[in-house]
Amino acid sequence: AQSVTQLGSHVSVSEGALVLLRCNYSSSVPPYLFWYVQYPNQGLQLLLKYTTGATLVKGINGFEAEFKKSETSFHLTKPSAHMSDAAEYFCAVRDAGGTSYGKLTFGQGTILTVHP
Amino acid sequence: NAGVTQTPKFQVLKTGQSMTLQCAQDMNHNSMYWYRQDPGMGLRLIYYSASEGTTDKGEVPNGYNVSRLNKREFSLRLESAAPSQTSVYFCASSALAGASRETQYFGPGTRLLVL
Repeated sequence: AQSVTQLGSHVSVSEGALVLLRCNYSSSVPPYLFWYVQYPNQGLQLLLKYTTGATLVKGINGFEAEFKKSETSFHLTKPSAHMSDAAEYFCAVRDAGGTSYGKLTFGQGTILTVHP
Repeated sequence: NAGVTQTPKFQVLKTGQSMTLQCAQDMNHNSMYWYRQDPGMGLRLIYYSASEGTTDKGEVPNGYNVSRLNKREFSLRLESAAPSQTSVYFCASSALAGASRETQYFGPGTRLLVL
């Protein structure tokens, strides 16, 4: 069975500081990995995803994530935080094959607060 | 192109009442999903429909039923609401059934309070 662990339910950074949101997964088969962002009272929006190929993935709004198979991690980073980045972030995993029919397993979420 | 739409946006029910949450997508997607979101638990899959005419249980199906009315619409029904079903419900869709790399697109959510 798949599982996703996001380390830290709350992360607080200053505007302009590095953002690092941690995600570790477990999967018995090669995974596809996703990061979604949820702004207050809105649905989830895809930030970036890893399927195959380059392990460093760039997404929207200056975010990127690196798939590290040896560490079973897919941490999300952004060099310089902006006030508009304040939101909740979800890491999700899906099996690359089998009959999962696209079912996503989500982490618990990390709330990012950005201070002026 | 509205994407994924959900109605209602907010609903208050009494224990034992029934209601149907509606979801529609205009992206010609084959697969649709219902999730619930609870604090500290991320999103959990309730039911999904890989393609028109098929539905399957997800992680937390108890107390819910679904109907894939046509390719566009996927409804979630609570036959007898319970306080434990207080949650935010999200509908999502993706293009290809069984294609794991496909992105899921989410609706804005329905906030449900069961008293």
